[in-house]
Amino acid sequence: AQSVSQHNHHVILSEAASLELGCNYSYGGTVNLFWYVQYPGQHLQLLLKYFSGDPLVKGIKGFEAEFIKSKFSFNLRKPSVQWSDTAEYFCAVNGGGGTSYGKLTFGQGTILTVHP
Amino acid sequence: NAGVTQTPKFRVLKTGQSMTLLCAQDMNHEYMYWYRQDPGMGLRLIHYSVGEGTTAKGEVPDGYNVSRLKKQNFLLGLESAAPSQTSVYFCASTQPGPSGQFFGPGTRLTVL
Repeated sequence: AQSVSQHNHHVILSEAASLELGCNYSYGGTVNLFWYVQYPGQHLQLLLKYFSGDPLVKGIKGFEAEFIKSKFSFNLRKPSVQWSDTAEYFCAVNGGGGTSYGKLTFGQGTILTVHP
Repeated sequence: NAGVTQTPKFRVLKTGQSMTLLCAQDMNHEYMYWYRQDPGMGLRLIHYSVGEGTTAKGEVPDGYNVSRLKKQNFLLGLESAAPSQTSVYFCASTQPGPSGQFFGPGTRLTVL
């Protein structure tokens, strides 16, 4: 069975600081990788996704993530965070292939608090 | 285009009561999912459906049943609610292929 681990439960930063949230997964085959964001009181929104090709993917709001296959990692980064980035961030993995039916396995989530 | 909608938004039940959560999507997606979100545990898949008339168990199916009589709707039922089912429930949908899931706004359920 696949699993996803997010190393940091709660990250606290000041505005303009750089961000990196760790995500590691365990799955032996082809994977599709996602980062979702959940702003307070709202539903999950897709930040970015990796299916194939360039391992450095860019998403919305200045976020990017790098897929490192040898490390089973898909870390999320942003060079300069803003107060409005305060939210909970979830890494998710889908074992690629037709029988996976798009099912996602989520990490535990990382709460990001950005102080003005 | 409303995307994924969920009804109700909030509900309080007593132990042993039953209820049904409704999820509707207007994107003509084949796949639909029900997740529960608990603090520190991320989202866990309860049941899913890969098409009208089909359902399958996810990671935490016990105590829940689902039905997908119409392509656009996916119902989650609790036959006899327990306090352990207090959670936020999210529905999602997607199409086969390289795309992410679209999530609904969630239903906050409290079982007393």
